[in-house]
Amino acid sequence: TQLLEQSPQFLSIQEGENLTVYCNSSSVFSSLQWYRQEPGEGPVLLVTVVTGGEVKKLKRLTFQFGDARKDSSLHITAAQPGDTGLYLCAGDRTGANNLFFGTGTRLTVIP
Amino acid sequence: DAGVIQSPRHEVTEMGQEVTLRCKPISGHDYLFWYRQTMMRGLELLIYFNNNVPIDDSGMPEDRFSAKMPNASFSTLKIQPSEPRDSAVYFCATKLSGTEAFFGQGTRLTVV
Repeated sequence: TQLLEQSPQFLSIQEGENLTVYCNSSSVFSSLQWYRQEPGEGPVLLVTVVTGGEVKKLKRLTFQFGDARKDSSLHITAAQPGDTGLYLCAGDRTGANNLFFGTGTRLTVIP
Repeated sequence: DAGVIQSPRHEVTEMGQEVTLRCKPISGHDYLFWYRQTMMRGLELLIYFNNNVPIDDSGMPEDRFSAKMPNASFSTLKIQPSEPRDSAVYFCATKLSGTEAFFGQGTRLTVV
């Protein structure tokens, strides 16, 4: 059973398009992190959100944490081929330090 | 710091053989995690340590899997005997409490 479900699982878009990736759970998390993983490498942290309703921006990437701290979204504006990769959300449950990872969204941006 | 260092990067072994994967954490990090990644199941937490003590091993799939952390600078994940279904990429990650996790480059294990 996956604590964190991501959608869509696969996404292939043209360069310049916008996209949104979702991360949903029935559990409450004290914080939620987004990672990007490239082939042959481990996941690398993009952002951490900790407050319900929080919005963080990282250049063309916008991250939002749900008010109830159960879900999150990642929006990419004007996607570029360099955005291609596996995007993973990970939740840190309250009182614990073990990270649970979502199912992942594999994004391909076509030039 | 060189980051989390895993070895070997690739391992091909025959079914039934013992496999040992190694991890050197970032100095000072007090949490160490072992994950397994496959296309079918994604990134699964196998076990994690805090200050060298195993805290939760409920993700370890079977008794064939064991993990140790004899000191703050070294951890191993052992599979004995290995089976083809153990083929996956195994990641080690370390962190400080309340901070981000840093991952190694992983060990790609193939059991034939």
